[in-house]
Amino acid sequence: AQSVAQPEDQVNVAEGNPLTVKCTYSVSGNPYLFWYVQYPNRGLQFLLKYITGDNLVKGSYGFEAEFNKSQTSFHLKKPSALVSDSALYFCAVRGAGTALIFGKGTTLSVSS
Amino acid sequence: ETGVTQTPRHLVMGMTNKKSLKCEQHLGHNAMYWYKQSAKKPLELMFVYSLEERVENNSVPSRFSPECPNSSHLFLHLHTLQPEDSALYLCASSQDPGNQPQHFGDGTRLSIL
Repeated sequence: AQSVAQPEDQVNVAEGNPLTVKCTYSVSGNPYLFWYVQYPNRGLQFLLKYITGDNLVKGSYGFEAEFNKSQTSFHLKKPSALVSDSALYFCAVRGAGTALIFGKGTTLSVSS
Repeated sequence: ETGVTQTPRHLVMGMTNKKSLKCEQHLGHNAMYWYKQSAKKPLELMFVYSLEERVENNSVPSRFSPECPNSSHLFLHLHTLQPEDSALYLCASSQDPGNQPQHFGDGTRLSIL
């Protein structure tokens, strides 16, 4: 069965520092992976996806993610964090059919 | 603006009430979804509609009843809910088949008294 894990409930970084939000996955077959962000009182916003091709995927707001097949990971990264990046981040893998299976989410807190 | 609109944004209801949540997408997508988001729990997929037919029902209690009258509209009818049903209910849409991302509405915050 498809599953995704986000091992950290919260990540704290200082503004201007690089950030990483971790995600590992378990799938049968080729993985289709996604990152979403959720701001307070809002729905989930799509950041980026990996389907095939280059292992480094670039997305919205300066975020990128690195697909690592051997480690079954898809970590979200940004070279320089902003206070406005503070939000809840979800990793997701496509399950059977079209539905997504989400991780439990990681709260990112960026301090000024 | 995500192209997916949910109404109402907030809803307070008693356990004996009947209400409906509405979702409308303006993206031309052919698949729509209901998710439940509770505090401290992962997002739970409730229902999936593809081409207006229900293709997934993830063991959701019968007090939740979905309806998809066309590819742009999705409803969630609620009756005799329980306090544990208080949550944020999110609607999403996507283009199926394919690996395109789902687009989410801002949700309905439901509180059961």
